[in-house]
Amino acid sequence: GAVVSQHPSRVICKSGTSVKIECRSLDFQATTMFWYRQFPKQSLMLMATSNEGSKATYEQGVEKDKFLINHASLTLSTLTVTSAHPEDSSFYICSARFWDRGGNTIYFGEGSWLTVV
Amino acid sequence: DAKTTQPNSMESNEEEPVHLPCNHSTISGTDYIHWYRQLPSQGPEYVIHGLTSNVNNRMASLAIAEDRKSSTLILHRATLRDAAVYYCILRSLTGTASKLTFGTGTRLQVTL
Repeated sequence: GAVVSQHPSRVICKSGTSVKIECRSLDFQATTMFWYRQFPKQSLMLMATSNEGSKATYEQGVEKDKFLINHASLTLSTLTVTSAHPEDSSFYICSARFWDRGGNTIYFGEGSWLTVV
Repeated sequence: DAKTTQPNSMESNEEEPVHLPCNHSTISGTDYIHWYRQLPSQGPEYVIHGLTSNVNNRMASLAIAEDRKSSTLILHRATLRDAAVYYCILRSLTGTASKLTFGTGTRLQVTL
């Protein structure tokens, strides 16, 4: 299947600082990427849909000024958690839509653990 | 989005087949049935998807009921590496994003 990679896999930051997580589609171009957050023992919660060259679409209840999403190229989307607080500590996962002859399938990155101290 | 219902957990012995059920009684005609699995501390992994006909790939088989209100993911010979949370998700290809909305999934335990 198609490969989606995230970086960093783990990051620790101080409360009040900002941290950026990258999501790359390694062997295909992705006009649409998705960002999820997952707390321990819980399911994935969709945060936003990232569209190349345009503004992201945020799910209800997700603060767009706190979770900045940029999708400047067909292979890279970034999520910046601004003014991070301990409650933002979570597993952040991106995914990208891959088009093939059978339609399209969504592939996920390995996830990024964020710990805010 | 139409919702799915899965058992919270299931157990299987290694080398035995596993049938993971999913109910989706409100499925619409444009909804595909997707299965993903998530191993601990990893992103979800695509397993299989289908619309109406049963599907097979190297990982699993997907059996879809004739009325499409339920489906079953079949792992033919479970191994310890198959222990994961399995998510059954309906994904419509209408609309602009065709996003995936995750439910609680089924936690599969595989024992020796």
